[in-house]
Amino acid sequence: NAGVMQNPRHLVRRRGQEARLRCSPMKGHSHVYWYRQLPEEGLKFMVYLQKENIIDESGMPKERFSAEFPKEGPSILRIQQVVRGDSAAYFCASSPFSVGDDEQFFGPGTRLTVL
Amino acid sequence: QQQVKQSPQSLIVQKGGISIINCAYENTAFDYFPWYQQFPGKGPALLIAIRPDVSEKKEGRFTISFNKSAKQFSLHIMDSQPGDSATYFCAASILGRWMDSSYKLIFGSGTRLLVRP
Repeated sequence: NAGVMQNPRHLVRRRGQEARLRCSPMKGHSHVYWYRQLPEEGLKFMVYLQKENIIDESGMPKERFSAEFPKEGPSILRIQQVVRGDSAAYFCASSPFSVGDDEQFFGPGTRLTVL
Repeated sequence: QQQVKQSPQSLIVQKGGISIINCAYENTAFDYFPWYQQFPGKGPALLIAIRPDVSEKKEGRFTISFNKSAKQFSLHIMDSQPGDSATYFCAASILGRWMDSSYKLIFGSGTRLLVRP
């Protein structure tokens, strides 16, 4: 059973460009979380999605950031008009969330560098 | 209210020693407390987790101690090994099992552990 997959692993963008980060959850998992980790800091929750639904986006900046988890295909975190402060590691986690399965499984992350 | 405070920021332990990392929280609604281990360039991986209905949970060399009244929990790594050198994060969540529950993890700021040979 493959783990959570994220691509690209590294992404370099210039200020003002768009960044698209992809996350394929583990097989059988229908819950996806996105977290952001700034250098030397802990992970901060951004958004929680189920298939075709955003459940909690309380941690996501109101502007420039959006997320989706379509019925088919990976979850996408989109950052428009990137700025230097967006440089961070972005982690996706997935969970089955059936009774007794509480663990969130993390992917390897996408390291975004904004020049 | 949503914060989880973690200490120390960094820790150096000799091989064979005990590593202790502490976390404190404010929100009494938290009912799930996992510890994650992260190696450089990798995503966090679940190490061990505890619910507030028990005061201690042990898995191999790793033990979580939980003090509900003090709203504190700690990770103890017995017989620490150089391979344990990593960053450790405590976290907290509200599982609730309600339809609109978020289950999001609130992470501490991390502890960088170095185990010297």
